[in-house]
Amino acid sequence: GAVVSQHPSRVICKSGTSVKIECRSLDFQATTMFWYRQFPKQSLMLMATSNEGSKATYEQGVEKDKFLINHASLTLSTLTVTSAHPEDSSFYICSARLGRLDIQYFGAGTRLSVL
Amino acid sequence: SQQGEEDPQALSIQEGENATMNCSYKTSINNLQWYRQNSGRGLVHLILIRSNEREKHSGRLRVTLDTSKKSSSLLITASRAADTASYFCATDGYGNKLVFGAGTILRVKS
Repeated sequence: GAVVSQHPSRVICKSGTSVKIECRSLDFQATTMFWYRQFPKQSLMLMATSNEGSKATYEQGVEKDKFLINHASLTLSTLTVTSAHPEDSSFYICSARLGRLDIQYFGAGTRLSVL
Repeated sequence: SQQGEEDPQALSIQEGENATMNCSYKTSINNLQWYRQNSGRGLVHLILIRSNEREKHSGRLRVTLDTSKKSSSLLITASRAADTASYFCATDGYGNKLVFGAGTILRVKS
């Protein structure tokens, strides 16, 4: 099946620093990737849709200058949390859509803790 | 905003029993999917049912869809301890997005 790799799995950083999370589709090309945020015991909240070669589409209420998304190739999308603060601590998950199917393949997630 | 609601929020059963989870949604759909999430991990796709289908099976999984009631159910038969996870339904939204339900936390006790 399709494999999506997300790195790092866990990161702890100081307040004010920036953190980059990578999402790679290992065995397929993904023109569209998605970034989600998940709070403990809650569902996934879509943050943005990442399209290869174009600007990401952000959901309402998500600060695009805070959460920078780059989709430079068909197999890699990155999410950079800029000037992270404790309230940015969360579980971030990426996914990639394969072809015309609506099925999304998810990375293992990144646990971000901002001190 | 999420359009799916699931019940129960949490379900605890004994190994070998069946587990049923329900999902309701608000708008018309092309398909509905079920995903599983182990604690602290990403989601794994389980099954997709199209709007013109009423029932679908995959191994020990059985999914039903009632578009008139805008609801779906996921049945896991002969549950195992390894089935312990959170289960989410997801409907297709605009722009190729998925809209996830609130999820059901399933615990299977051995």
